[in-house]
Amino acid sequence: QKEVEQNSGPLSVPEGAIASLNCTYSDRGSQSFFWYRQYSGKSPELIMFIYSNGDKEDGRFTAQLNKASQYVSLLIRDSQPSDSATYLCAPEDSGGYQKVTFGTGTKLQVIP
Amino acid sequence: DVKVTQSSRYLVKRTGEKVFLECVQDMDHENMFWYRQDPGLGLRLIYFSYDVKMKEKGDIPEGYSVSREKKERFSLILESASTNQTSMYLCASGTSTDTQYFGPGTRLTVL
Repeated sequence: QKEVEQNSGPLSVPEGAIASLNCTYSDRGSQSFFWYRQYSGKSPELIMFIYSNGDKEDGRFTAQLNKASQYVSLLIRDSQPSDSATYLCAPEDSGGYQKVTFGTGTKLQVIP
Repeated sequence: DVKVTQSSRYLVKRTGEKVFLECVQDMDHENMFWYRQDPGLGLRLIYFSYDVKMKEKGDIPEGYSVSREKKERFSLILESASTNQTSMYLCASGTSTDTQYFGPGTRLTVL
């Protein structure tokens, strides 16, 4: 069984601060990694993906990947109350078909 | 915009009933997925399909079956609903070079 570990939180940060969300995974064959945001009562929506070691930036979001350590993270700069949500890490399975294994998510609370 | 729709937002059924959950996507995606989401357990894959009439078991297929007769439509079937199948059911679709796009979900309660 592939495993994806995330701290469930809640992670509380003040407005304007950097939120750091971490994820470790067990499937060494994973090549692509997705971060989804899920607001309470809503379905997940993609916010970032990364497939190369290093950093990938998109606006206030930065995804970081270290395949050797099997570790992926998401940084949110200048956190806003609207960022309060659960963030799901989802490495793509090495078996193909676009299958991913979801972590249980980290709940982020941005305090105004 | 990609649109994935699910037949119901809320559904209440009785133990032993046969339940159909339907998902339709409008983007000609080859891959479609059914998940259930439970507090503390996250999203777990029930079944997926990579082509018409093709299906593959996910991590928790027991008690479920699926049907994909047309590319845009993927149905989840609970042959005999049980209380432990009370959950949020999420459908998703996508291509092999893109992410998965989720429908709004169906909250199923089995009494």
